[in-house]
Amino acid sequence: NAGVTQTPKFRVLKTGQSMTLLCAQDMNHEYMYWYRQDPGMGLRLIHYSVGEGTTAKGEVPDGYNVSRLKKQNFLLGLESAAPSQTSVYFCASSLYRTGGYGYTFGSGTRLTVV
Amino acid sequence: GQNIDQPTEMTATEGAIVQINCTYQTSGFYGLSWYQQHDGGAPTFLSYNALDGLEETGRFSSFLSRSDSYGYLLLQELQMKDSASYFCAVKGRYSYKLIFGSGTRLLVRP
Repeated sequence: NAGVTQTPKFRVLKTGQSMTLLCAQDMNHEYMYWYRQDPGMGLRLIHYSVGEGTTAKGEVPDGYNVSRLKKQNFLLGLESAAPSQTSVYFCASSLYRTGGYGYTFGSGTRLTVV
Repeated sequence: GQNIDQPTEMTATEGAIVQINCTYQTSGFYGLSWYQQHDGGAPTFLSYNALDGLEETGRFSSFLSRSDSYGYLLLQELQMKDSASYFCAVKGRYSYKLIFGSGTRLLVRP
């Protein structure tokens, strides 16, 4: 099992450019999440999805959009990148809403906006 | 809203025991989780407590007191590979969101 796969692993963007981060999971998990992690900080929830075709805002949704057209995929879009969006982005999925069996995280995407 | 407090850094000696504390304030509580993250790596799930008491998984144990809004992660027989950041995370009762603390960076010395 691959678990949760994120692409790309690294990316450098210029301010104002757009990009899409792809997350794919092969565990048939219902719930998927996008987090960002900045130095010295914990993970902050950007957006999440409770099932195919659904999305919802997390703690820091501004400047990001998401889509979940297929159960196994969760896309994170940056329409007009800003230096403040330089971060490491993690996708995660879970079987249960409660998180009781844990979240499975992808290996992350390191994004630099110059 | 939710607020989670845990120490920023801790240092311990190989073979010793270390306890990482976590206190939280949340409007409605469902469970407390712990995650480990090595530098440059992804967070990995360690444990989950929804009820008061101690949960043991090998060298790691996690404790929860719902009445005190407090939990801890206990690492025994520390090994060098345990040097990592440890995050506690809280799930609210009616929320889909898992909110993470800022993490505790643990350094294990020989």
